[in-house]
Amino acid sequence: AQSVAQPEDQVNVAEGNPLTVKCTYSVSGNPYLFWYVQYPNRGLQFLLKYITGDNLVKGSYGFEAEFNKSQTSFHLKKPSALVSDSALYFCAVRDGGSSNTGKLIFGQGTTLQVKP
Amino acid sequence: EAQVTQNPRYLITVTGKKLTVTCSQNMNHEYMSWYRQDPGLGLRQIYYSMNVEVTDKGDVPEGYKVSRKEKRNFPLILESPSPNQTSLYFCASSWRHPVYEQYFGPGTRLTVT
Repeated sequence: AQSVAQPEDQVNVAEGNPLTVKCTYSVSGNPYLFWYVQYPNRGLQFLLKYITGDNLVKGSYGFEAEFNKSQTSFHLKKPSALVSDSALYFCAVRDGGSSNTGKLIFGQGTTLQVKP
Repeated sequence: EAQVTQNPRYLITVTGKKLTVTCSQNMNHEYMSWYRQDPGLGLRQIYYSMNVEVTDKGDVPEGYKVSRKEKRNFPLILESPSPNQTSLYFCASSWRHPVYEQYFGPGTRLTVT
């Protein structure tokens, strides 16, 4: 069965510092991995995805994520955090070995707090 | 404007009173899905639809029904709501299946007393 874990409920970082939000996954086939962000009182917005190819994926708002197959991880990163990055971040996975499935598994979410 | 709309945005109801939450998208997307968001549990998929007339269960389908009679609409039906279905619900759509970027609606906050 596929699963996603976000080991940190909250990440605190000072504005201008680099940030990392962690995600690990478990699937039986090749993973399709996603990051979504939820700003207060809003729906979720797509940030980036990994399907295949380069392990470093670049996305919206200066975010990037690194796919590490050996560690089954897909950590979200940004070189310099902004206060406006404060939000709830979700990692998600789809099992690429199940080509016809529409199932998508989300992690429990990590709150990112960027302080001025 | 490309969007996913949900109605109602807020709903307070009583146990056992049937309700429907509507979801509509104007992007001609094939794939649609319903999720519930609960504190500490993240998003959990209820049902999804790969295309018209094709629906399947997600991880938490118990107590819910869906139908996909037309491409743009994907209503979520609670035949006999219970307090444990109190949650924030999101509808989402994507072009084909969830490998593609999903567009989310604004959410429906449901309270069942």
